[in-house]
Amino acid sequence: DAGVIQSPRHEVTEMGQEVTLRCKPISGHNSLFWYRQTMMRGLELLIYFNNNVPIDDSGMPEDRFSAKMPNASFSTLKIQPSEPRDSAVYFCASRARTGLRGEQYFGPGTRLTVT
Amino acid sequence: KNQVEQSPQSLIILEGKNCTLQCNYTVSPFSNLRWYKQDTGRGPVSLTIMTFSENTKSNGRYTATLDADTKQSSLHITASQLSDSASYICVVEAGGATNKLIFGTGTLLAVQP
Repeated sequence: DAGVIQSPRHEVTEMGQEVTLRCKPISGHNSLFWYRQTMMRGLELLIYFNNNVPIDDSGMPEDRFSAKMPNASFSTLKIQPSEPRDSAVYFCASRARTGLRGEQYFGPGTRLTVT
Repeated sequence: KNQVEQSPQSLIILEGKNCTLQCNYTVSPFSNLRWYKQDTGRGPVSLTIMTFSENTKSNGRYTATLDADTKQSSLHITASQLSDSASYICVVEAGGATNKLIFGTGTLLAVQP
C-alpha cells in the first residue's frame, strides 16, 4: 500500500485566494483526520470523519475552513479566503478501527504558505 | 482541560548516549497514550501505544513507560543514533464517544556525532 497520499506537497498562494488540499486515505480505513501543525501550537485536530461522515469539526478555526469526504477514498480541506495566519503544515491521517488501539497513519503533509 | 505537556522542549545529545523524554498529561477519561516520532518534513510515525494497564512497552531501542496514577510517561532512547534526530510527540487518546487525540508540542532531539 502506498500509505496516505496528500497533494500538493507544497502550496504557496496569496492572501484571499482559495486553497484546496487533497487526501487519499489507506484503502480499507474507515476514519480520516485532518490536522494542522505549527511551531507555536504543535499538532491540532481540525476535523475527522467516520465512514465518510464528519464526526467532530470543533477544531475547524472558522467558516473559512471546510472539509468534505465524498467517498471512502478521497477528502478535501478547503480554505476560502486564505490568510497569512493559515500558513502551516496540514496533515491527513487515516485509521482502521480495531479495538482500543486503532493506529493512525499520517500522510507526508502539505506545507501551505500564504503571503 | 485536557492537556499534554512535554519536557524538555529540545535536547542535544552525543551519538551513542541514552536519553529520556518526559510527558505529563491531564486527560480524562483516559484511553491510551502514544509516542510518535516525526522526522523533519514527514508525518508522525507511531512508536508505542500503551493502555491503562500497561506500564512499559518497548520498540527496539525505544522504551516507553506509563504511570497512570501520576499521569506521567517517559520515552527512553538507548544507544542513540544520528537517525534518532527528530521530534518526539506524546499523544493521549481520550476515552468516551469521540476518542479524541490530545497532542503534546513535542521534544526536538538532535543527536550529534
